[in-house]
Amino acid sequence: NAGVTQTPKFQVLKTGQSMTLQCAQDMNHEYMSWYRQDPGMGLRLIHYSVGAGITDQGEVPNGYNVSRSTTEDFPLRLLSAAPSQTSVYFCASSYSLHREQYFGPGTRLTVT
Amino acid sequence: GDSVTQMEGPVTLSEEAFLTINCTYTATGYPSLFWYVQYPGEGLQLLLKATKADDKGSNKGFEATYRKETTSFHLEKGSVQVSDSAVYFCALSDQNAGGTSYGKLTFGQGTILTVHP
Repeated sequence: NAGVTQTPKFQVLKTGQSMTLQCAQDMNHEYMSWYRQDPGMGLRLIHYSVGAGITDQGEVPNGYNVSRSTTEDFPLRLLSAAPSQTSVYFCASSYSLHREQYFGPGTRLTVT
Repeated sequence: GDSVTQMEGPVTLSEEAFLTINCTYTATGYPSLFWYVQYPGEGLQLLLKATKADDKGSNKGFEATYRKETTSFHLEKGSVQVSDSAVYFCALSDQNAGGTSYGKLTFGQGTILTVHP
């Protein structure tokens, strides 16, 4: 049981490049979400999904796309990277929003 | 909208000192409250939670009581250890009277705790 896994751990992009951050969980959780963590701002919700085929926007969705084709995977796509997207990105999953959320180890992204 | 406010950090303590990290919240419905901990280089882990007023969450010597009258969920530990050094996040998940979630977990800004031997 690996829990929540994220790849890559570190990534450097140039402005305008695109990439996909991968997230997978093996706990059969319905709820998955993406957060970004910035100094002094806690974690802010980017997008979330309550099940395969269902996604919705969080607090800071601009510049990011998601899809949920399977229960296990919830990739986050940066369409055209900007320096403002330099952050640490965490994926999380849970049985439901009011249950414990399990976090992945994070991806540290730098956009130059 | 919902919001969570934590005490300003960083907090620096000596080993065996008493710890309090204040957390207050604003919510429109009936929130569940959480404390998460993030150790250096790792993701967040749930430390404790409380789902209704007057509930007390506890784990690893940490405690927090859900106080609806003061809209607070302060984290306390009687005797901290060096291994408790981490970032602590207060968070809430709101729902309506029927138990339907509003769909997001709202975090405070985090409090850095450093414990010296």
